[in-house]
Amino acid sequence: KAGVTQTPRYLIKTRGQQVTLSCSPISGHRSVSWYQQTPGQGLQFLFEYFSETQRNKGNFPGRFSGRQFSNSRSEMNVSTLELGDSALYLCASSRTSGDSQYFGPGTRLTVL
Amino acid sequence: DAKTTQPPSMDCAEGRAANLPCNHSTISGNEYVYWYRQIHSQGPQYIIHGLKNNETNEMASLIITEDRKSSTLILPHATLRDTAVYYCIVRVANNAGNMLTFGGGTRLMVKP
Repeated sequence: KAGVTQTPRYLIKTRGQQVTLSCSPISGHRSVSWYQQTPGQGLQFLFEYFSETQRNKGNFPGRFSGRQFSNSRSEMNVSTLELGDSALYLCASSRTSGDSQYFGPGTRLTVL
Repeated sequence: DAKTTQPPSMDCAEGRAANLPCNHSTISGNEYVYWYRQIHSQGPQYIIHGLKNNETNEMASLIITEDRKSSTLILPHATLRDTAVYYCIVRVANNAGNMLTFGGGTRLMVKP
């Protein structure tokens, strides 16, 4: 069974731009969560989607948003990029909300 | 979710057992103990989880004390590929959501 896939793997943007990251969960998994990892703050929860609905949201500004499609694939969007948004963005999927999560390889975003 | 405390770093000789401790003295009765690890620049990898009984799978064993205030992850025969940051997380495993709160973890260095 294929694992969680994330695209793109690497991305370079400039301040003020917006970016969309994509995540395809493991087949049969209906919950997708997003995390941000930075050297200073570590791994932080962004939000979770289950059955196309946002279930939980972490403490991030409204510039960070996401959505989930009927096939469980998810996208997250960051608008008006700031230098501090440079991070590894990780997606994790699970069969249901509350089940063990399996992470993808991440998208490394660099904001210049 | 309950807070966890882990030593920041540990060394282990290749081929020997690695015993990684975790304190979670404020754990609630319905909270599980989860372990993940993150090899450099990759997404976290699920290892094992448990409620109160000891658990074993192909990767590791999880020993939870009777009062559930601490646990130990055991890698029975550590290899160089087990060098990673190991995260102990406690959370309620039900349909309440998928937010994982990561602490600093333990950086395990397996040495030849």
